[in-house]
Amino acid sequence: DQQVKQNSPSLSVQEGRISILNCDYTNSMFDYFLWYKKYPAEGPTFLISISSIKDKNEDGRFTVFLNKSAKHLSLHIVPSQPGDSAVYFCAASNQAGTALIFGKGTTLSVSS
Amino acid sequence: DTEVTQTPKHLVMGMTNKKSLKCEQHMGHRAMYWYKQKAKKPPELMFVYSYEKLSINESVPSRFSPECPNSSLLNLHLHALQPEDSALYLCASSQGLVFSGANVLTFGAGSRLTVL
Repeated sequence: DQQVKQNSPSLSVQEGRISILNCDYTNSMFDYFLWYKKYPAEGPTFLISISSIKDKNEDGRFTVFLNKSAKHLSLHIVPSQPGDSAVYFCAASNQAGTALIFGKGTTLSVSS
Repeated sequence: DTEVTQTPKHLVMGMTNKKSLKCEQHMGHRAMYWYKQKAKKPPELMFVYSYEKLSINESVPSRFSPECPNSSLLNLHLHALQPEDSALYLCASSQGLVFSGANVLTFGAGSRLTVL
C-alpha cells in the first residue's frame, strides 16, 4: 500500500496562473516532506521542503503547505511558467529519517 | 561540483551478461543510494551506503550487487537479470542519512537499463 499518494497523474495550467499540486500521506510519523522536479532524461532535482513543525514554507514562486491533521501537503507555483512543465514528485522521510518514500508523481504542463 | 554522475546513460544487456552501473560524486557526501524507477511509478529505494558501509538493503534480489569502493564512488553490479528488471536506475547522495533542511538527496540523471 502506498504511503505517499499523488492522486492526480497530470495537471494543465495556463502561463501566469497558479499551479496547485497535491500529496497525501498515510504515516503520521513522517516528519519531513520534500518536492522534487524531474525533466525528461534527467534525474529528479530538489525543489522545496517542509518540516512537520511548520505549516508553510516559501521559496520564490514556490510555496509548500502542510496540513498535519489531514495528512496532506500541497505545492503552489505562482505564477506558473512554461519552464515549470515537468513531473513533480512528493516525498516523505520515514521514521528513521534514513530514506525517502516517493509518490508516483504529477505531470505539470504549463501552456503559453 | 554539485553533481552526481552516472555511467552509462543507456545499457542493453542479455540475461546471461554481467555488467555494472557506476556513480560518482565529489560533494563530500557520506551517504549514497541506489533507486529503481519503472515507467509511471515512483523511485523505489534499493540500497543505502553510509560511510562506505551498506546500511539498508530493501530486500533486493542477489542478482543486484552493490559496491562502494570509496566515499565518492558507488557501483551496482548486474548478473543474470530478468526482462522485468528493465528500468531507470538512479543514484543519489546526501550529506548524511537523516533528512533535514540542510540535507537533501541529490540525484544523478540515471542509467536506463534494458534487459533482453
